[in-house]
Amino acid sequence: DAMVIQNPRYQVTQFGKPVTLSCSQTLNHNVMYWYQQKSSQAPKLLFHYYDKDFNNEADTPDNFQSRRPNTSFCFLDIRSPGLGDAAMYLCATSRLNLASNEKLFFGSGTQLSVL
Amino acid sequence: AQSVTQPDIHITVSEGASLELRCNYSYGATPYLFWYVQSPGQGLQLLLKYFSGDTLVQGIKGFEAEFKRSQSSFNLRKPSVHWSDAAEYFCAVAPSGGSYIPTFGRGTSLIVHP
Repeated sequence: DAMVIQNPRYQVTQFGKPVTLSCSQTLNHNVMYWYQQKSSQAPKLLFHYYDKDFNNEADTPDNFQSRRPNTSFCFLDIRSPGLGDAAMYLCATSRLNLASNEKLFFGSGTQLSVL
Repeated sequence: AQSVTQPDIHITVSEGASLELRCNYSYGATPYLFWYVQSPGQGLQLLLKYFSGDTLVQGIKGFEAEFKRSQSSFNLRKPSVHWSDAAEYFCAVAPSGGSYIPTFGRGTSLIVHP
């Protein structure tokens, strides 16, 4: 029944070693989002895709990239993880751009540790 | 830009007691407002939302919230808390135009005592 699936649940990487987090969805939604949630902080939007159109938030570091090869999959690439990038990364989807009848569907997240 | 303040980091209540979680927002026009819940190890789930109309909004799991424009608030309430309500609660605000993507508050952790 899982609709937004994030793998792995826990990811450990080394300082400076590239890492990729994955998200897949079975909802056939047009929009996919990546949020970063640090401990005891609000989830912060990094970027989102509307279909293939990429929308980067102004304050998202260049170290963070994303790919969406098809409707179902979206990847978050961290080129050179620093200790400050340790966080929970949440993927979410919505059918269309959010409006009165739309809502976000979240995955369970990937907890990233940087050693 | 819009912002959300959740002044309480932790709230502790006894099972069966009533609950109110506070949320204040900052936005120049009428916002879209949301409450999400995050259980341990889970993603965020939408509890309820306010877009327009009746300022008292009913949600899932027996929750409700009231939009008070004069106080810039959107507090979440439940008359009788169950142990399964223990979770992190996030208030969010979205601009009423453009992308509608919500900006989240830092969350309030609800602890329920038996």
